[in-house]
Amino acid sequence: GEDVEQSLFLSVREGDSSVINCTYTDSSSTYLYWYKQEPGAGLQLLTYIFSNMDMKQDQRLTVLLNKKDKHLSLRIADTQTGDSAIYFCAESPDSSYKLIFGSGTRLLVRP
Amino acid sequence: ETGVTQSPTHLIKTRGQQVTLRCSSQSGHNTVSWYQQALGQGPQFIFQYYREEENGRGNFPPRFSGLQFPNYSSELNVNALELDDSALYLCASSLGLQEQYFGPGTRLTVT
Repeated sequence: GEDVEQSLFLSVREGDSSVINCTYTDSSSTYLYWYKQEPGAGLQLLTYIFSNMDMKQDQRLTVLLNKKDKHLSLRIADTQTGDSAIYFCAESPDSSYKLIFGSGTRLLVRP
Repeated sequence: ETGVTQSPTHLIKTRGQQVTLRCSSQSGHNTVSWYQQALGQGPQFIFQYYREEENGRGNFPPRFSGLQFPNYSSELNVNALELDDSALYLCASSLGLQEQYFGPGTRLTVT
């Protein structure tokens, strides 16, 4: 089946690291994505990882993939108040045409 | 480079009416995907168009239909609107099956 699960809420202090976790079910997923959504806005593609990779780093963002456990995480270093948003994990089964999204994790960054 | 644009930004319709939403894809992209995002949930895939042909469909009834034009812009049509159709409708464009970039969305309210 196709299902992506995320924790609902994460609160961190400004300057700390944030880690947002995601589990997915389809082992055929070739790409896994992280999107950010600010209030009233569309989705912004943050980063993605190919399934044959374990880690990808892009400035303050680090993605870790554990394919055996079907677990994906997004680490944001030096979290800022502007990082407050909802973060969605998404899988693309069999490199297919559709993205399967989780319900999103709301990140609140406290000053 | 122009990003993905959608129109209108908001609209209110009455149950039973029909609605057309529009999307202009990012320059150089030939594929458009549509998603429905209900309040507090992740986006759900409706369908995708590639070079003017439907390239896959999610679990939505036939009253959800679409078109893609030669310039790769797209329309989403919804007939016989129901209260549960109230949502944010997101369009995403891509080059084939590569990463999808989202527009700001159209907020549809059905009363």
